[in-house]
Amino acid sequence: GAGVSQTPSNKVTEKGKYVELRCDPISGHTALYWYRQSLGQGPEFLIYFQGTGAADDSGLPNDRFFAVRPEGSVSTLKIQRTERGDSAVYLCASSSQGGFMNTEAFFGQGTRLTVV
Amino acid sequence: GDSVTQMEGPVTLSEEAFLTINCTYTATGYPSLFWYVQYPGEGLQLLLKATKADDKGSNKGFEATYRKETTSFHLEKGSVQVSDSAVYFCALSTGTGFQKLVFGTGTRLLVSP
Repeated sequence: GAGVSQTPSNKVTEKGKYVELRCDPISGHTALYWYRQSLGQGPEFLIYFQGTGAADDSGLPNDRFFAVRPEGSVSTLKIQRTERGDSAVYLCASSSQGGFMNTEAFFGQGTRLTVV
Repeated sequence: GDSVTQMEGPVTLSEEAFLTINCTYTATGYPSLFWYVQYPGEGLQLLLKATKADDKGSNKGFEATYRKETTSFHLEKGSVQVSDSAVYFCALSTGTGFQKLVFGTGTRLLVSP
């Protein structure tokens, strides 16, 4: 079976532009997470979905960042008015059973975003 | 807030050497602890975990013991292989009902033949 798929794998955009990053979770996984990994750092939590709703968006850095999961499967992370500081690898993960402690979160390979 | 501190890399070892990667944590709650590994060109993979004090997580010859008294979760392997070369991340989660992971900065391990 397929793992977590993220597209595109690489995205280069100009400062000020809008970008969308897509995540296809493992089929049947109800929990979906977005993380951001800056160069030389560990991943940082952005947002968690349980089904279609964002259960915790406390990690989104500001209102330029927004994520949706309208049908409880695919999720899109949207960044408006991109800044050079947004350059990072954006990771998506999914897990079953509502993402509880005893379940494993499976990560995608990430989208490398470069803002020039 | 919650945080994880792990030793800086790179850690360079010869094949069959003993490995220790130190990890300590600060948490307000009672966390679960994890080690994730990222092989070149691949996504993060869960290596092992422990959910309560004195638990030992183990997988692929790697071990780590949850030490509440020292707030540590050091990763060890008795004999490393070239194929163990990767970046290792220590992480914790105190989320009630879901895994909101807090990661360390990662430690790169390089194993030479």
